Amino acid sequence: QVQLQESGPGLVKPSETLSLTCTVSGASISGDYWGWIRQPPGKRLEWLGYIYSDGSTNYIPSLKSRVTISVDTSKNQFSLKVTSVTAADTALYYCVRVKTGTVDYWGQGTLVTVSS
Amino acid sequence: DVMMTQFPLSLPVTLGQPASISCRSSQGLVYSDGNTYLNWYQQRPGQSPRRLIYKVSNRDSGVPDRFSGSGSGTDFTLKISRVEAEDVGIYFCLQGSHWPGTFGQGTKVEIK
Repeated sequence: QVQLQESGPGLVKPSETLSLTCTVSGASISGDYWGWIRQPPGKRLEWLGYIYSDGSTNYIPSLKSRVTISVDTSKNQFSLKVTSVTAADTALYYCVRVKTGTVDYWGQGTLVTVSS
Repeated sequence: DVMMTQFPLSLPVTLGQPASISCRSSQGLVYSDGNTYLNWYQQRPGQSPRRLIYKVSNRDSGVPDRFSGSGSGTDFTLKISRVEAEDVGIYFCLQGSHWPGTFGQGTKVEIK
């Protein structure tokens, strides 16, 4: 059973960097794609980007300048950083496993609030 | 980006009765490999999303056969043949044929 668990601060100050880590169990991170999806309050889900286990990435154009996804295969983890956050980055953040055209496993989600 | 329009947004249903949720895409979802990557997910209260259906009509392992997916082109449907109490939650579609993948708004299914 593949399980993903997000971890990181639930509160980030405006203009600072949001950092989350996803720990994968029940599957090796190698050989697969892994991604981040978020849901702002009252809005629909939206992709942030994804990473292959070799470190190659793909981000959504609108956030490409602020988002970095990285992978640590030795720890079976991957991470998300979003720089220069504003209130618009307040959201429930999910880490996911990505297959061609689909997401098959989701983490529980972690709420990140941007506020001073 | 492809816009996914999901309806209804709220669906009160009677136990044992059928339910149907639709997703309409702003453009066709046939990918270059010939597959149509339209997925359906269920999110029960307090739980993470669970995939029910992938590639329009393929049920995931462990998903009851009362759930079925259909459609083509730009119109897709998730049907529950007989709603049970455990089906309460939010259902949403995801198109994965065009990057970035985009989601429907979600349909809240509740028991009348």
